[in-house]
Amino acid sequence: DIQMTQSPSTLSASVGDRVTITCRASQSISSWLAWYQQKPGKAPKLLIYKASSLESGVPSRFSGSGSGTEFTLTISSLQPDDFATYYCQQYDTYPYTFGQGTKLEIK
Amino acid sequence: QVQLVQSGAEVEKPGASVKVSCKASGYTFTRYSIHWVRQAPGQGLEWMGIINPNGGYTSYAQKFQGRVTMTRDTSTSTVYMELTNLYSDDTAVYYCSRDTGSYSAYWGQGTLVTVSS
Repeated sequence: DIQMTQSPSTLSASVGDRVTITCRASQSISSWLAWYQQKPGKAPKLLIYKASSLESGVPSRFSGSGSGTEFTLTISSLQPDDFATYYCQQYDTYPYTFGQGTKLEIK
Repeated sequence: QVQLVQSGAEVEKPGASVKVSCKASGYTFTRYSIHWVRQAPGQGLEWMGIINPNGGYTSYAQKFQGRVTMTRDTSTSTVYMELTNLYSDDTAVYYCSRDTGSYSAYWGQGTLVTVSS
């Protein structure tokens, strides 16, 4: 199975900050990577697909980059609604594995 | 609009089975596969498998092989996920999601399955 490793596991930041979350794959997955946001008690919400494509309706402060084995999710200016947990997922090869998650907390 | 509506919460004893349903609407059911993902309390997301409603083709994560069965009923646009021989660590929220180019843009609301004696 392809292992997905996110860092950091927890991130403390303030409204207005620029933050970056990293996701590394144990082998190349080309650009077959998605990013999701999840809030407590809710289903995940798709933010980014194919590593850098912004899902319709998602604010432009979210962006993704990378290919191969290293990927990043960047939030350019944190808003109060952005404090949540973020997951990457590879969809290159079954099983479609997730990273362990990054919890974004208010500093 | 695309909607996935899952069945309600279940409480089962260890060793029992559970069958969770996911009813799709707002699109042509047979055109998109359905994923199943679970999340144990306080833990991350775990991909369980996928079913293609057009023909019923399935692929399961190795961890669940032999215990999970995904089926579909095209007459009601519903997919099912059955998990057998339940353990306490199968306690989780189970989500279905619709495949969109292999990632998941649409999700059900989740079904809590509690395994407890």
